[in-house]
Amino acid sequence: EPEVTQTPSHQVTQMGQEVILRCVPISNHLYFYWYRQILGQKVEFLVSFYNNEISEKSEIFDDQFSVERPDGSNFTLKIRSTKLEDSAMYFCASSEGSTGFEGTQYFGPGTRLLVL
Amino acid sequence: AQKITQTQPGMFVQEKEAVTLDCTYDTSDPSYGLFWYKQPSSGEMIFLIYQGSYDQQNATEGRYSLNFQKARKSANLVISASQLGDSAMYFCAMREGLRGAQKLVFGQGTRLTINP
Repeated sequence: EPEVTQTPSHQVTQMGQEVILRCVPISNHLYFYWYRQILGQKVEFLVSFYNNEISEKSEIFDDQFSVERPDGSNFTLKIRSTKLEDSAMYFCASSEGSTGFEGTQYFGPGTRLLVL
Repeated sequence: AQKITQTQPGMFVQEKEAVTLDCTYDTSDPSYGLFWYKQPSSGEMIFLIYQGSYDQQNATEGRYSLNFQKARKSANLVISASQLGDSAMYFCAMREGLRGAQKLVFGQGTRLTINP
């Protein structure tokens, strides 16, 4: 069964460093998303992406964040200068469509980011 | 105001019993989708079930069913014949609107523990 994959599974970085989180969405999906979950809290939306551009972004997704689909399979989230409060689990998700059951978002296993 | 409210931080149930996890939502958009996800201790987010706002019937998926009461704005998840492997966090989420890559808004989650 097709699934969303994410690398790395864990990342430890120093405050101020840049990190790139990678995702491979399900191959026939057209809509892509990033979410994050701070430990013990609910899942929060960061950004959605469709047709090679950002569809929507949250207040969390400030100038330190960027997303890219560099080729036909990968979808990346870059944090330019990490802060302690960026420590969280980052989930990539994808959906085939945007409405109805086709709009169901399937999540990757997550990347656990720890900023020291 | 919270868009998704899950009022049960924790639930404890005996194996083989049925369990209902509560979820209420708040939206003025007539077109929306409601989702339940399971998050085991390993951290991944597993899609369980979807209910569209225009669906006439309650959604079912194996041992999972969704008790959709539109007038009350509730979308409770019912798990029949619970198993030890059902122990996990459960999140209710909503997607509003029909256009573009619509984000999911999540509730705080309910931690379900199945006792042998």
